[in-house]
Amino acid sequence: KAGVTQTPRYLIKTRGQQVTLSCSPISGHRSVSWYQQTPGQGLQFLFEYFSETQRNKGNFPGRFSGRQFSNSRSEMNVSTLELGDSALYLCASSFGTGGRLEQYFGPGTRLTVT
Amino acid sequence: SQELEQSPQSLIVQEGKNLTINCTSSKTLYGLYWYKQKYGEGLIFLMMLQKGGEEKSHEKITAKLDEKKQQSSLHITASQPSHAGTYLCGADRSNTGKLIFGQGTTLQVKP
Repeated sequence: KAGVTQTPRYLIKTRGQQVTLSCSPISGHRSVSWYQQTPGQGLQFLFEYFSETQRNKGNFPGRFSGRQFSNSRSEMNVSTLELGDSALYLCASSFGTGGRLEQYFGPGTRLTVT
Repeated sequence: SQELEQSPQSLIVQEGKNLTINCTSSKTLYGLYWYKQKYGEGLIFLMMLQKGGEEKSHEKITAKLDEKKQQSSLHITASQPSHAGTYLCGADRSNTGKLIFGQGTTLQVKP
């Protein structure tokens, strides 16, 4: 069974631009969560999507948004990029939504904002 | 996050030695997750613990959950260079699947 895949793996953008990252969950998994990892703040939860609906949201500004498609693939978008948005963006998939479910992470997308 | 404390922050051990990493939550846990991360890469799922007293093993790695103390420990027996990396604990404190992570413990294993 293929694992969680994320594209692209690396991205360089300029301040003010926008970016879209993609995540394909493990086959059969319907929940996708997004996390941001930085050296200063560590791993922080962005949001979770299940059945094309946002179920949970972290403490990030509205510039960060996401969506999920009917095949469970998810995208996250960051508009008006700032230098502080440079980070490793990770997505995790699980079979369902809610607690007490195993969550598997993808390899991440490394975003650099210059 | 200070809400989830991992100790130690870093560890250097000789190959073959045992080691323990701790993860303590300041609030109730509904689930405790352990992951391993190589620098700049994704997280590798190790184990998920749900109930107090639960203990799980994966190869030479064992994790336990002490629900009363809101604490989990990860123990590696007879460490090998392949165990090197950063170990992260994640806690679900709302039973929603939203995880809060500790700052990680970086492990080096000297051959």
